[in-house]
Amino acid sequence: SQKIEQNSEALNIQEGKTATLTCNYTNYSPAYLQWYRQDPGRGPVFLLLIRENEKEKRKERLKVTFDTTLKQSLFHITASQPADSATYLCALDAGFQKLVFGTGTRLLVSP
Amino acid sequence: DGGITQSPKYLFRKEGQNVTLSCEQNLNHDAMYWYRQDPGQGLRLIYYSQIVNDFQKGDIAEGYSVSREKKESFPLTVTSAQKNPTAFYLCASSIEHRGSEAFFGQGTRLTVV
Repeated sequence: SQKIEQNSEALNIQEGKTATLTCNYTNYSPAYLQWYRQDPGRGPVFLLLIRENEKEKRKERLKVTFDTTLKQSLFHITASQPADSATYLCALDAGFQKLVFGTGTRLLVSP
Repeated sequence: DGGITQSPKYLFRKEGQNVTLSCEQNLNHDAMYWYRQDPGQGLRLIYYSQIVNDFQKGDIAEGYSVSREKKESFPLTVTSAQKNPTAFYLCASSIEHRGSEAFFGQGTRLTVV
């Protein structure tokens, strides 16, 4: 069956450290993968997109990698801040404009 | 001020009643989506539409219905056949291009009592 898996347990880190979140998928062949941030009670907000022919993408303190052999994407936040605390969701293209999401990982950055 | 609007923000209904959630966008996007989110869970796709007068079932379409008569509007009806309708419902839209980001509304929290 098709699955998109993210760590269900919250990730707790200290301010200033690098947070690394994982997104694994099975039985999909996505042309791209996206990462979103969601705050409690709000809709997700787009952060980054990476295409299947790209290994790495950066935007300010954010970095995403995409390994189509491992069927995995890693999302890094460097120099993390308490304001980065949120749930982070990966999403991928399941074909024909169908966008499916992972379960999300909650990140808690403590001062 | 362009965006995607969901209404109402909170909705209460009695068990056995159908209820329609509104989603309107003025971004001129072709694609629109409905997702359901349960506490501590990710987003599960209910229905999506790539173009007016056409829509496809997502992964959990049973007990839901949609229409796409206008480009700007994609209402979702939660029918009495949906066994566990209490959830947070999110509507999104994107341009008709693979990889384009999805813009989300603020969500409707539906509680069925």
